[in-house]
Amino acid sequence: GAVVSQHPSRVICKSGTSVKIECRSLDFQATTMFWYRQFPKQSLMLMATSNEGSKATYEQGVEKDKFLINHASLTLSTLTVTSAHPEDSSFYICSASFGAGSSTDTQYFGPGTRLTVL
Amino acid sequence: GQQLNQSPQSMFIQEGEDVSMNCTSSSIFNTWLWYKQEPGEGPVLLIALYKAGELTSNGRLTAQFGITRKDSFLNISASIPSDVGIYFCAGRRGQTGANNLFFGTGTRLTVIP
Repeated sequence: GAVVSQHPSRVICKSGTSVKIECRSLDFQATTMFWYRQFPKQSLMLMATSNEGSKATYEQGVEKDKFLINHASLTLSTLTVTSAHPEDSSFYICSASFGAGSSTDTQYFGPGTRLTVL
Repeated sequence: GQQLNQSPQSMFIQEGEDVSMNCTSSSIFNTWLWYKQEPGEGPVLLIALYKAGELTSNGRLTAQFGITRKDSFLNISASIPSDVGIYFCAGRRGQTGANNLFFGTGTRLTVIP
């Protein structure tokens, strides 16, 4: 149980284009979804937190107009990288939790999406 | 953001050896988690610790939540080749509405058959 999927697993795009990444909780309803970015050989850095039906909360230094997050349902969140540039190339990972925000809530991670911007 | 430092950064060990890695922070966390990540995959939760001083095992893995709430360690006994991967600690303050995880710098484990 508690499976999170991401689509696509890999995407290559040209500089200046927009890319949408989907994150789905397959067997549970996710009250909160998180988006992380991981550069090669580095740790995961939280980009934003989103709750279903409300605006995402972005971490400091993350441009909300560049990384658009939509959490339209309890099982789907999307991250759109707008006007992508080579420096946006990274591994994007989502996670989902179904708790009420307590200390024992577990985040279940998706398999990640490798974005390469040419 | 919060910086969680893991040591060692990388380890090369022989199959069958025990492994120990730790994670330290300058801030207090109320929850410590240990994840394993394999290449091209998302992290998978190994052990969750919710109470200072707690010692928890999951098969060959044992982790402890430091009494100061600023550190945690993970031990792997009798390593096997499939233990290869990057191990991340993560801390969470755990107050309601603050479910954010802060990840450590990672320990890359290589097991030599």
